[in-house]
Amino acid sequence: AQSVTQLGSHVSVSEGALVLLRCNYSSSVPPYLFWYVQYPNQGLQLLLKYTSAATLVKGINGFEAEFKKSETSFHLTKPSAHMSDAAEYFCAVTYFSGNTPLVFGKGTRLSVIA
Amino acid sequence: EAQVTQNPRYLITVTGKKLTVTCSQNMNHEYMSWYRQDPGLGLRQIYYSMNVEVTDKGDVPEGYKVSRKEKRNFPLILESPSPNQTSLYFCASTSAGVESAQYFGPGTRLTVT
Repeated sequence: AQSVTQLGSHVSVSEGALVLLRCNYSSSVPPYLFWYVQYPNQGLQLLLKYTSAATLVKGINGFEAEFKKSETSFHLTKPSAHMSDAAEYFCAVTYFSGNTPLVFGKGTRLSVIA
Repeated sequence: EAQVTQNPRYLITVTGKKLTVTCSQNMNHEYMSWYRQDPGLGLRQIYYSMNVEVTDKGDVPEGYKVSRKEKRNFPLILESPSPNQTSLYFCASTSAGVESAQYFGPGTRLTVT
């Protein structure tokens, strides 16, 4: 069975500082991994995904994530936080492209301080 | 424009009054699913459907029903809502293949009193 652990339900950074949101997964087969962002009162938007190609994945809005099999991690980073990055971020895992359910982490709320 | 629509967006109802939340996608996806989002619990899958007339339980199916009579529609039915079903609900539609991704609807905020 797949599972995802997001370390830290709330992360606060200063504007311009590095953003690091942690995600560790558990999967008995090679995983597909995703990061989603949810802005207040909105649905989920796909930031980026790993589907067994390049281990460093670049997404929208300057975010990227690196798949590290040895650490079973898929941490999300952005070099310089912007006020508009304040949102909730969800890591998710599945094990097959397409018709399999996503298992979500509990989410990390990112606050950006001016 | 590719999209997933849900209606209603907001609903306040009373215990025991049957309700349906509709979900429709225009991308011809086979796989659709329903999630509920609760503070501190993330998103949990309620039901999913791999194609027309094929549905299956997710992690938290109790108290919910679904149907998939057409590929584009996947309604969520609460036959007898209870206060513990107060939540934010998302419908999602998934594209198949290596480039798959889930497309989420805007959400339905349900309050059961």
